[in-house]
Amino acid sequence: NAGVMQNPRHLVRRRGQEARLRCSPMKGHSHVYWYRQLPEEGLKFMVYLQKENIIDESGMPKERFSAEFPKEGPSILRIQQVVRGDSAAYFCASSRSGGTNYEQYFGPGTRLTVT
Amino acid sequence: DQQVKQNSPSLSVQEGRISILNCDYTNSMFDYFLWYKKYPAEGPTFLISISSIKDKNEDGRFTVFLNKSAKHLSLHIVPSQPGDSAVYFCAASEGNTPLVFGKGTRLSVIA
Repeated sequence: NAGVMQNPRHLVRRRGQEARLRCSPMKGHSHVYWYRQLPEEGLKFMVYLQKENIIDESGMPKERFSAEFPKEGPSILRIQQVVRGDSAAYFCASSRSGGTNYEQYFGPGTRLTVT
Repeated sequence: DQQVKQNSPSLSVQEGRISILNCDYTNSMFDYFLWYKKYPAEGPTFLISISSIKDKNEDGRFTVFLNKSAKHLSLHIVPSQPGDSAVYFCAASEGNTPLVFGKGTRLSVIA
């Protein structure tokens, strides 16, 4: 299965800990997008990356959140000093080319629970 | 301020009948619209899209209609099947800006 892979699928962290979420895009895709879905809400865009570059981070909170997509390896969404409000499903999507007019393929998501 | 609204949180339809899911938007600059389908514990799956230069796009049992003057689009599924039961998200974008999603409508197709 060459789909978008995310791990872990479930992550439990205590308040103040760090959360690291990983995303491996589909083969041949070099554009990665991160979204967050709060309970009973739609998906909200967080950040758009290409290899080694952040293209658009307009949806990312200014503090505690960071993302990277290194030349080798998966994209990482990092949340420092997690708080209860960070509990959500985090989805990664990838596309072959950039921009929103290209179909984005989503991973299964990581469900983060902050206790 | 919600730019993409799906005002019906849920919809029940009998198998074989038509399902109509609605979506309204407020940003008249949106020029590309998409529908995604999501099963529990899975990521959204792309279903169908439409550009603002069109008013209809059809793919098998799925048809999307766009009414720009009303800032409204709808997804028609006919005939509806039990496997169509899922949450459907409407999304929109302006140029190359990020996708904006609605909150979703949960469709239940009853056999």
